[in-house]
Amino acid sequence: KQEVTQIPAALSVPEGENLVLNCSFTDSAIYNLQWFRQDPGKGLTSLLLIQSSQREQTSGRLNASLDKSSGRSTLYIAASQPGDSATYLCAVTTDSWGKFQFGAGTQVVVTP
Amino acid sequence: ETGVTQSPTHLIKTRGQQVTLRCSSQSGHNTVSWYQQALGQGPQFIFQYYREEENGRGNFPPRFSGLQFPNYSSELNVNALELDDSALYLCASSWGRGTGRIYEQYFGPGTRLTVT
Repeated sequence: KQEVTQIPAALSVPEGENLVLNCSFTDSAIYNLQWFRQDPGKGLTSLLLIQSSQREQTSGRLNASLDKSSGRSTLYIAASQPGDSATYLCAVTTDSWGKFQFGAGTQVVVTP
Repeated sequence: ETGVTQSPTHLIKTRGQQVTLRCSSQSGHNTVSWYQQALGQGPQFIFQYYREEENGRGNFPPRFSGLQFPNYSSELNVNALELDDSALYLCASSWGRGTGRIYEQYFGPGTRLTVT
């Protein structure tokens, strides 16, 4: 049974510092991995999608890496801003139908 | 193109009652997935509908049921509500091919259900 773990559960950094969020999964037979952002009480916003054949994806200040063999993904956010404060969730799918298995998330606070 | 919408935004029900949540998928999308997110946890997959047929189900009891309509909007029904059903219910829509591939999913804002 696939299990997704995110460490740390919470993180507080001063503005300008780089953020490093970790995600691990127990079954390496994933179809893809996706990082989401969730603001309090809101839905999910997709940040980056990494297909199983890829090793990383980049979008602006965000970079996500994927190491399938070790069951790990890392989301890097460069030069953090207070607007980056949110919960970040990673999710994996094991088939092409996109039935996500989510981690519990990392709650990030960026202080001015 | 409109995004994924869900109604109602908030709902308060009493234990034992029944509830229906609604999701309008993004224009052109034929696949809808439903998730339950308890406070402080990640979303849990409930079920998925593709072209009006159930296409997979998570570890939820039969009192969680769903429908998808010809316009691809969807309903989630929960019978005999329990206190633990209190959660944010999210739906996600996407376009799926019959060969078993869907493209990027888009999530709605969710419905906050409180069971007292």
